[in-house]
Amino acid sequence: DGGITQSPKYLFRKEGQNVTLSCEQNLNHDAMYWYRQDPGQGLRLIYYSQIVNDFQKGDIAEGYSVSREKKESFPLTVTSAQKNPTAFYLCASKEDSRQETQYFGPGTRLLVL
Amino acid sequence: QKEVEQNSGPLSVPEGAIASLNCTYSDRGSQSFFWYRQYSGKSPELIMFIYSNGDKEDGRFTAQLNKASQYVSLLIRDSQPSDSATYLCAIPGGGYQKVTFGTGTKLQVIP
Repeated sequence: DGGITQSPKYLFRKEGQNVTLSCEQNLNHDAMYWYRQDPGQGLRLIYYSQIVNDFQKGDIAEGYSVSREKKESFPLTVTSAQKNPTAFYLCASKEDSRQETQYFGPGTRLLVL
Repeated sequence: QKEVEQNSGPLSVPEGAIASLNCTYSDRGSQSFFWYRQYSGKSPELIMFIYSNGDKEDGRFTAQLNKASQYVSLLIRDSQPSDSATYLCAIPGGGYQKVTFGTGTKLQVIP
């Protein structure tokens, strides 16, 4: 099956803890993205990566970090510096710069204990 | 900065009726538009992509684009309870740039 997988489906974070959200794709897409969705708000871009070992900050990168060591994988770490992490996190990918469409994974819901 | 405006709803329509969802955008240079459907607790799913003025039809869905007035709409004919979801209007970025999303309109189809 081709697609984008995210894990876990639900994640609980304790105060002061860093947590990592997984995103994997087997579509051979060049670009990968992380968005955050809060109730009543549109999706907001956290980070994106066009190519392995390269990534750029989005609109709300503070308190987050990413890596792109493999084309298939783009994990997101929510650090303790992110004071309001409760949200629905969506990973997306895009085939290349000529294509318009981004495809989404199933999402991870992060909750703070 | 591109902006996309949508009425949050909820928009309630009876089963079998036509649901009309609207979206306006700020950047006159925007060339193409997406409509995504998002069920509660799920990720967005692309349902329509339109880049030309006029109508684009796909099954029960019709997207309409009016670049002069800077609005995009989505019509759902013969609405079904399974169409109940939030519909997100979005503008793709060029190259590897982000997609700009509206906040979405919640549609409720009443049986």
